[in-house]
Amino acid sequence: DGGITQSPKYLFRKEGQNVTLSCEQNLNHDAMYWYRQDPGQGLRLIYYSQIVNDFQKGDIAEGYSVSREKKESFPLTVTSAQKNPTAFYLCASSLPTSGSDNEQFFGPGTRLTVL
Amino acid sequence: AQSVTQLDSHVSVSEGTPVLLRCNYSSSYSPSLFWYVQHPNKGLQLLLKYTSAATLVKGINGFEAEFKKSETSFHLTKPSAHMSDAAEYFCVVNRGGADGLTFGKGTHLIIQP
Repeated sequence: DGGITQSPKYLFRKEGQNVTLSCEQNLNHDAMYWYRQDPGQGLRLIYYSQIVNDFQKGDIAEGYSVSREKKESFPLTVTSAQKNPTAFYLCASSLPTSGSDNEQFFGPGTRLTVL
Repeated sequence: AQSVTQLDSHVSVSEGTPVLLRCNYSSSYSPSLFWYVQHPNKGLQLLLKYTSAATLVKGINGFEAEFKKSETSFHLTKPSAHMSDAAEYFCVVNRGGADGLTFGKGTHLIIQP
């Protein structure tokens, strides 16, 4: 089965702790993305990566970090610097971004709650 | 900059009646537009996409959308609502570069029995 997996589904963190969210895809897509979803705000782009060992900040990158050491993996770390990390996090991937009509495929999401 | 505005945060219809979810876009060039659906606590699934071919786009589950450049609109419709259509719907525009998509704030579709 081809697709995107995110783990864990639910994650609880104490204030001041860093936490890493996993995202893996076996679609052979070059581009990967992280979004944050809050009620009534749609999805906002955190980071994106077009190719291995390269990534760029999105609209709300502060307090987050990423790595792209392998094509199939794009983990997101939520650091203690993120002031309001409780949210639903979605990972996505797409074919090479040379075409503007490339749809993105989404994982099932991770719900992070800070206690 | 590209943006989308979903005109209704909630829409409620009776089962078997038509569905209309409204979306207006703003773009400095001919955009690519998408509609995605999200069921509770799930990821997003593509319903349909417009990429400058036919202005009337047919998608999955009986949904369709019409691109109207003169009105800068891309409204989503379905002739007859089903209970399983209850979900959150997002209108989305491609930013034109490599940095992904811009999402509307979503419309919550409620289906009354």
